[in-house]
This record gives sequence, C-alpha cells and structure tokens, in this order.
Amino acid sequence: DAKTTQPPSMDCAEGRAANLPCNHSTISGNEYVYWYRQIHSQGPQYIIHGLKNNETNEMASLIITEDRKSSTLILPHATLRDTAVYYCIVRVLRGAQKLVFGQGTRLTINP
Amino acid sequence: GAGVSQSPRYKVAKRGQDVALRCDPISGHVSLFWYQQALGQGPEFLTYFQNEAQLDKSGLPSDRFFAERPEGSVSTLKIQRTQQEDSAVYLCASSTDNEQFFGPGTRLTVL
Repeated sequence: DAKTTQPPSMDCAEGRAANLPCNHSTISGNEYVYWYRQIHSQGPQYIIHGLKNNETNEMASLIITEDRKSSTLILPHATLRDTAVYYCIVRVLRGAQKLVFGQGTRLTINP
Repeated sequence: GAGVSQSPRYKVAKRGQDVALRCDPISGHVSLFWYQQALGQGPEFLTYFQNEAQLDKSGLPSDRFFAERPEGSVSTLKIQRTQQEDSAVYLCASSTDNEQFFGPGTRLTVL
C-alpha cells in the first residue's frame, strides 16, 4: 500500500473547523483514501473514505485534490470529544484487507 | 448492536508466561484481523482470518505468537514465553469489505 504523510500534531479551538492534511503522492489509480481516528484507550474508528470525489457524511468531509496526491479531512464544528489521533490510510477496495497505519495526527481540541 | 469485544481488557504477565487474548467479532463478519499497537505508534498488522482459515500471518513477529479461529467466529491470540517487548495493546477488528470495526483492545504488560 502507498504510504501517507501527516503532521504529527495539530490544535484547534472548540467550535471551529478542524482541517487535517494528508499527503499520499504515490497513490495508485485504484487506491482509496480512508480516514480512521483513535480516541484514547479505544480502538480505531472509521470516519470516511473516498476515491476522487469529495465526500461528506455525518462525521466529516473529505476533500481530495484533483491529482489525488493529497487530501484534507474536515471536522466542521470540532468538539472536545473530537480530540484523538487521526490516521490517513490508502488502500484498494478489493475485499477485506489489512490496514497500514502511519503515525497519524494527534488532534487536540481546546476549549 | 454489539460491536467487537475483547477480553481481558488488561493483562499483566511475568516474563516467560503464556497469555491468551480473546476476540469476539461482530456476528456474521467473515473477516477478522489482529493488530499490535506499541505505545505512541499506529497499529501494526499481525494476522488475518477469513472464516476459520488463517490467510495471512505475515505480521506475526515470532513463532511465539499463534492465532486461531477454529469455528470461524471467536478468535484467540496466544503468546508463548512472553517477553518485555511484547508489551503493547492488541487490537482485534472484524470487517465488511469497506470498513473494519475495532474492539477496545487488550493492554498487555510484561514485567
């Protein structure tokens, strides 16, 4: 799987939008961008995934650049409960596959 | 509905002891994964089952690690003759094609 690069940490004020970047410059044409997050003492939780179009669900929005070499996860109105480590992962959508996690971004939401 | 459960949540072992970690996946999920997460790191893949068949065990760090899923539901990860470097959180995930659902993990501390 292609590797991803994320900043190790970010801060955001409560109520503001949190924008988490991810670089995946070696992504292949059939690889999707997935985001998971891991709240302290819990297992990772799926957030969203996309191929090339922007995606939105009840948790977040995913913006993928036209060349697909980078993406941004947007939490539109961050709350204290969004404090977590966020992982950007690329993978093919070909049945169940192991996830290759990087170091992730530790996002801290400040009151 | 019930998610993935793991037991015990915490395990302290003396060096050289054998341990067994249990995972109860979401009912009906064919795929099951084990990951190891060292402190401050992202999870790393250990092994993968499809039903009772262990299709990938490339991530198991040594022959002291053994996993089974005899009836295609509950899985057990066994570590023999534990070493201090085995101290980590062990995560189990069951999967649909698009998404992996993680349990809370078992924190193993080897003294």
